Amino acid sequence: ETGVTQTPRHLVMGMTNKKSLKCEQHLGHNAMYWYKQSAKKPLELMFVYSLEERVENNSVPSRFSPECPNSSHLFLHLHTLQPEDSALYLCASSQDRQPGGYGYTFGSGTRLTVV
Amino acid sequence: AQKVTQAQTEISVVEKEDVTLDCVYETRDTTYYLFWYKQPPSGELVFLIRRNSFDEQNEISGRYSWNFQKSTSSFNFTITASQVVDSAVYFCALSEPYGNNRLAFGKGNQVVVIP
Repeated sequence: ETGVTQTPRHLVMGMTNKKSLKCEQHLGHNAMYWYKQSAKKPLELMFVYSLEERVENNSVPSRFSPECPNSSHLFLHLHTLQPEDSALYLCASSQDRQPGGYGYTFGSGTRLTVV
Repeated sequence: AQKVTQAQTEISVVEKEDVTLDCVYETRDTTYYLFWYKQPPSGELVFLIRRNSFDEQNEISGRYSWNFQKSTSSFNFTITASQVVDSAVYFCALSEPYGNNRLAFGKGNQVVVIP
């Protein structure tokens, strides 16, 4: 069982809908990440939260809105998406601000289809 | 500048053949960490190995082996006697803990094992 849980696993939404993706970790990590993985494309880092503060926002459109209410939970709020936003959205966590390079623990992802 | 290069996009092998995935990295730091992750069709990235820059010993874990060559900045991954369950995308990644401590991923290698 993964230490990072993402829900839902699959989501189909219309372009006018509002939905949220949820990520939860109980590993005691203090940094969390959202990645987008489109078909045939590399992993794209979207947002980074460290100690519940957003520290990176890599030119992501405003129709994606992250929220990190505490160190164990991360949300990605979605509204008025486009079909090209269809992708696998992966959440990851790590122990940040600490040299050691322990890598990330990933969730299973939410496969999003925008119709 | 791309920090991690995985040149082969898709590799097809017949079951029981060996397959080697190349990973070339770029860093100015003397302390860094290298990783390999496996992403099966289910979507989750699964951690395979972490190697620090001071440990140049090659490693073998079952049918998996890794060849770290600092002189050529490479960290190659070999699957011996491949099986259908090895079909996945494999990512190489670099972490610079005294830099921004983020994982920089390569584009991934899609491995298809044909029965």
